[in-house]
Amino acid sequence: DTGVSQDPRHKITKRGQNVTFRCDPISEHNRLYWYRQTLGQGPEFLTYFQNEAQLEKSRLLSDRFSAERPKGSFSTLEIQRTEQGDSAMYLCASTRGGGGGWNEQFFGPGTRLTVL
Amino acid sequence: LAKTTQPISMDSYEGQEVNITCSHNNIATNDYITWYQQFPSQGPRFIIQGYKTKVTNEVASLFIPADRKSSTLSLPRVSLSDTAVYYCLVGGDGGSQGNLIFGKGTKLSVKP
Repeated sequence: DTGVSQDPRHKITKRGQNVTFRCDPISEHNRLYWYRQTLGQGPEFLTYFQNEAQLEKSRLLSDRFSAERPKGSFSTLEIQRTEQGDSAMYLCASTRGGGGGWNEQFFGPGTRLTVL
Repeated sequence: LAKTTQPISMDSYEGQEVNITCSHNNIATNDYITWYQQFPSQGPRFIIQGYKTKVTNEVASLFIPADRKSSTLSLPRVSLSDTAVYYCLVGGDGGSQGNLIFGKGTKLSVKP
């Protein structure tokens, strides 16, 4: 257990439905990241927050995706009008950003989304 | 961020030492080399990070030659529980967003 939790762990939905995932990072971490991972591939960066500010979004993040971190603590990732291609593992990670070097990111267990 | 190349898969037996080499020819001066481990249905887990020469912790060693164009993750005396995918990443924070760029990783299978 890394201290990063995600909910739900599994989600099955029908195409066209909206889904929302939650991530609770390690409390003292100011940076929070969302990644998506499909079978046989490494995780792909989607977006990241520093405190409550969303500072970067990948072009993978289509208009149907939106992420929030309203109070700089937990974050939500919403997918609207889901498509079968959205089926993947959605991973959240947090870190204490800034400073020298490259800070270790702590990953949650992920939410596995299946779109039927 | 520098691109990395590593073997797609490796096989080993329990008790053996496993060395996984990663190539990163375009590594930048301020880039660090980091390895993550991922078990099925779990998020990646940090193993080790280095900048140059050798770094050792309780689970692995990381060897980085002087030109830093490659690195080798060494796992001593592997067990069945070391069966996982291992990712080599290169990059630096330095005020940037610090998002990680994963490749496909190396799938290590440890056999009894």
